[in-house]
Amino acid sequence: DQQVKQNSPSLSVQEGRISILNCDYTNSMFDYFLWYKKYPAEGPTFLISISSIKDKNEDGRFTVFLNKSAKHLSLHIVPSQPGDSAVYFCAASGPNTGNQFYFGTGTSLTVIP
Amino acid sequence: NAGVMQNPRHLVRRRGQEARLRCSPMKGHSHVYWYRQLPEEGLKFMVYLQKENIIDESGMPKERFSAEFPKEGPSILRIQQVVRGDSAAYFCASSPFQGDYGYTFGSGTRLTVV
Repeated sequence: DQQVKQNSPSLSVQEGRISILNCDYTNSMFDYFLWYKKYPAEGPTFLISISSIKDKNEDGRFTVFLNKSAKHLSLHIVPSQPGDSAVYFCAASGPNTGNQFYFGTGTSLTVIP
Repeated sequence: NAGVMQNPRHLVRRRGQEARLRCSPMKGHSHVYWYRQLPEEGLKFMVYLQKENIIDESGMPKERFSAEFPKEGPSILRIQQVVRGDSAAYFCASSPFQGDYGYTFGSGTRLTVV
């Protein structure tokens, strides 16, 4: 049962443009969301998070937007850089999920110089 | 300050053998989480441990899999009588306290069962 879905397995963006990565979830009890970035042969690295009391969180070039009514979040990267090329996972948890995070299947971002 | 250390990075086992995956959390972290990533899938939670205690093993397969985090030494994920379907990347993460959602992940152990 995939409670967190990333429907785009891959995305290519020109350097300097905006990258938008999307994530949908089904569990309305989820109240905390994170984005992780993963390079090949490395573990995921925490990027940015947002709790359900907010609809936007910004950290430098990275902004996460949360639309609770649509059960949708997105990660915006502006401007995109070649070093951003990686796989991005969204993850979610809530008061009824115990100690675990539910991860999406990832979106592979390629930023073209 | 070393990060989360996992070894081995790559492990090849024949069907029926045992696999032992080790995880040393970051210094000062006493909470350890194991996740598994099967090919073409996201990371899936397996187990959450504190020193000498299994707190949540709801994601662990009922048979052949076990985990421990002893008072001294690394956390161990043990898979007995491995099968081809166990081939995956196994990631360990640690945090300083429960509820700290900014996990730090290790680089993973890639298990291949032949």
